[in-house]
Formats: sequence, structure tokens, C-alpha cells
Amino acid sequence: GAGVSQTPSNKVTEKGKYVELRCDPISGHTALYWYRQSLGQGPEFLIYFQGTGAADDSGLPNDRFFAVRPEGSVSTLKIQRTERGDSAVYLCASSLSLADTQYFGPGTRLTVL
Amino acid sequence: DAKTTQPNSMESNEEEPVHLPCNHSTISGTDYIHWYRQLPSQGPEYVIHGLTSNVNNRMASLAIAEDRKSSTLILHRATLRDAAVYYCILRLYNFGNEKLTFGTGTRLTIIP
Repeated sequence: GAGVSQTPSNKVTEKGKYVELRCDPISGHTALYWYRQSLGQGPEFLIYFQGTGAADDSGLPNDRFFAVRPEGSVSTLKIQRTERGDSAVYLCASSLSLADTQYFGPGTRLTVL
Repeated sequence: DAKTTQPNSMESNEEEPVHLPCNHSTISGTDYIHWYRQLPSQGPEYVIHGLTSNVNNRMASLAIAEDRKSSTLILHRATLRDAAVYYCILRLYNFGNEKLTFGTGTRLTIIP
């Protein structure tokens, strides 16, 4: 079946711009997670949703980062006033329910010039 | 969160077994040991997990020390497609701990 998909695969933007990154989870998965991976590092947790609500957003680095999942399926990670330090691969994962195996998408590579 | 320690890199010859070690001396009684791997330009992929007993699946085997302070991921016959970064992660199954905490992992190189 279809796995987790993320769009765009690559995004280049200029410092100060606003970006949106989209995640389509596996159909029927209620939990959705966002991670960020910098070069040479393992992924770092940002936020996760159970259904439509953000159950834990403790990993969001500051208030420029926001994520939504309005209908409990697709999620969008929004970054305002991008900075060069935001450049990374943003990974999305979904699981059937909390504590189940997480399945990752291929990621969106964000480059802030 | 309890932490894991893995070698930064390992090499292995193609078609030979590979043993990837992980130390987790501060593991708690309810931490599960998970392994994920990340192939180049892809997201992490679940490999295997266990609590106390050794586990086998189609991808690999997981050997857990009796005191649970270390574990070993075993790839029985490495192929070039197994070249990846392997992450050993401790996961506590209770509310509020659903996130995965990755370290820097072990970069496995397979020599043809």
C-alpha cells in the first residue's frame, strides 16, 4: 500500500520567507509525527498529533514553527520568517495509533538562502 | 530519557554476518529496545524491537543481554542494500513518551 508521502521533496527559500511543508500519512493512521534532521545528525522530534490535536509540541524550537492537522489526516508544518539555521530535512512519520511502529516518509529538504 | 551508545561507523564484507552493538547501561525495566535504519536519502525504516528475549524477523535478529544493558542487531548475510545508518533507540511505552529519540547511530559500510 501507499506509504507516507511528503511534498515538496525539495524547497529552496530566502531568509525571512514563509514556507509550508505537507505530510500525507498512511491511510487510517491516527498518530502523526514531525521530526527535523540536520546534516550528520539523527532526527530530532518536533511535534506529534493524535487525531486532530497536537498531543506534544515540546520539540518545536520557537514560535516561528507551527503545525496543523485539521481533519486528522494530512498535516502541514508551517515556518514563518525562515532563518538559515532552519535548513534541514523535515521528516514526517505516522503510526496506526500511539506506541505503534512509526513509518517515515522520504522527507522534505529545506534550504534557506 | 535513558541513552544509548553506538560506534560511529562499521564496515563489513558483502554476504557475511554483521553484528551492530548498542550499549544502554541506564535502561529501565519498561524500556523497549528499538532499531531503525536510514538508507541514503530516505526516511528511517523500522527494523526490529524487543524487551527481554531475543527476537527474529525477516530483516534481522536482535540479541539482548541478560542484564539488558546492551544489545546487538544481527544482519545474517549483509548485502549492498544494507548500507545505512543504524539507530538503536530506547522507547518507554507510556503516555507522553511516544516520540523516538535518535542518537547519531552507526554508519554501516558494506564492502563488495
